[in-house]
Amino acid sequence: GDSVTQMEGPVTLSEEAFLTINCTYTATGYPSLFWYVQYPGEGLQLLLKATKADDKGSNKGFEATYRKETTSFHLEKGSVQVSDSAVYFCALSNQAGTALIFGKGTTLSVSS
Amino acid sequence: DSGVTQTPKHLITATGQRVTLRCSPRSGDLSVYWYQQSLDQGLQFLIQYYNGEERAKGNILERFSAQQFPDLHSELNLSSLELGDSALYFCASSVAGQATTYEQYFGPGTRLTVT
Repeated sequence: GDSVTQMEGPVTLSEEAFLTINCTYTATGYPSLFWYVQYPGEGLQLLLKATKADDKGSNKGFEATYRKETTSFHLEKGSVQVSDSAVYFCALSNQAGTALIFGKGTTLSVSS
Repeated sequence: DSGVTQTPKHLITATGQRVTLRCSPRSGDLSVYWYQQSLDQGLQFLIQYYNGEERAKGNILERFSAQQFPDLHSELNLSSLELGDSALYFCASSVAGQATTYEQYFGPGTRLTVT
């Protein structure tokens, strides 16, 4: 079945460091891919998405490119802030209006 | 604020009891999804309703059930609760039916603690 694999955390960085969180997927067809973020004590917020190969999703300085050849959707940010500390989830949806399949989440901790 | 509301925010109950979690989707969204987030299982899809009808089932136990009402709010009923049911339960909504829209918007969750 479809699945998402994320790098294990936690990821600990200093402010202004470069961030990469790896995400690979297994799916039939052409899924849509998402990154969601969960701040402490809150629900999940959609961070960015890409719906087809080579699409780049971006938001709040975060970017991810849908790579069909490597079945990957790695999250990057050039300069992290303390306020980026959260849990990041990679997810896919293989069809409009169906459930999301999530990776296990990666905890990011940024210190000043 | 996603526009999805969930009540209650926290729930503490004993084993064997029954609870009901409530979700109101974003205005205009017809589809409601329920997810369970636990430390060992991560985020797992439980069940989906679309415009009042069950559309898909995931890893939902037989002790759990859900429904979506004519005003589109949804309730998740958990019965014969066990310690292992302690988790965060999220509701999400989307405008299912539009082929270009895949994203789901999540509520703040209900934290269930079974003692």
